Amino acid sequence: DTGVSQDPRHKITKRGQNVTFRCDPISEHNRLYWYRQTLGQGPEFLTYFQNEAQLEKSRLLSDRFSAERPKGSFSTLEIQRTEQGDSAMYLCASSPGAGTGGHEQYFGPGTRLTVT
Amino acid sequence: QQQVKQSPQSLIVQKGGISIINCAYENTAFDYFPWYQQFPGKGPALLIAIRPDVSEKKEGRFTISFNKSAKQFSLHIMDSQPGDSATYFCAATAILTLLSGGYNKLIFGAGTRLAVHP
Repeated sequence: DTGVSQDPRHKITKRGQNVTFRCDPISEHNRLYWYRQTLGQGPEFLTYFQNEAQLEKSRLLSDRFSAERPKGSFSTLEIQRTEQGDSAMYLCASSPGAGTGGHEQYFGPGTRLTVT
Repeated sequence: QQQVKQSPQSLIVQKGGISIINCAYENTAFDYFPWYQQFPGKGPALLIAIRPDVSEKKEGRFTISFNKSAKQFSLHIMDSQPGDSATYFCAATAILTLLSGGYNKLIFGAGTRLAVHP
């Protein structure tokens, strides 16, 4: 399968704990996005990488959130001191960034986070 | 100005019928309008997309109609099947910023839960 992959698929954690999610984009896609989706809503943009550079962060991304994309390949999203309001589906998407269809974003299966 | 409003919230259609979902936007800079299909527990899957230089795009049973002056676009699913039962999201972005070296974060509607009854 050459699509976007995310790990883990599900994470249950206690309030106050730190969690880290991983996203592996489609090979050779230089643009990578993180979105958050709460129940019954559409995905909301969190942050964007072009290669290894993080070019934008949403106001939704508080200081407890940090994302990295070392070497411009996979990306990690870490949430520190989790709160119940962080419970959501965290989606990763990638796009080629150039050429025909360069703007088409392909999503991974998501990581479902439940904070108890 | 960044919002995309989607309706209806839920839709029930009989097998073989036409499903119609509508979206409206405010930001005139938006120039790329994709539709995504999402099944429970899965990520959104790109279904079909349109640019504002055309008023209609058809792929199989799926058609997007676009009205630039009204800033509205809609998804039509012809001959709806039970397997089409899913949540559908419209989205919008400005890809011209991509072409100039920018980015294209998607702004999503709230979604429409479609149920196709046999």
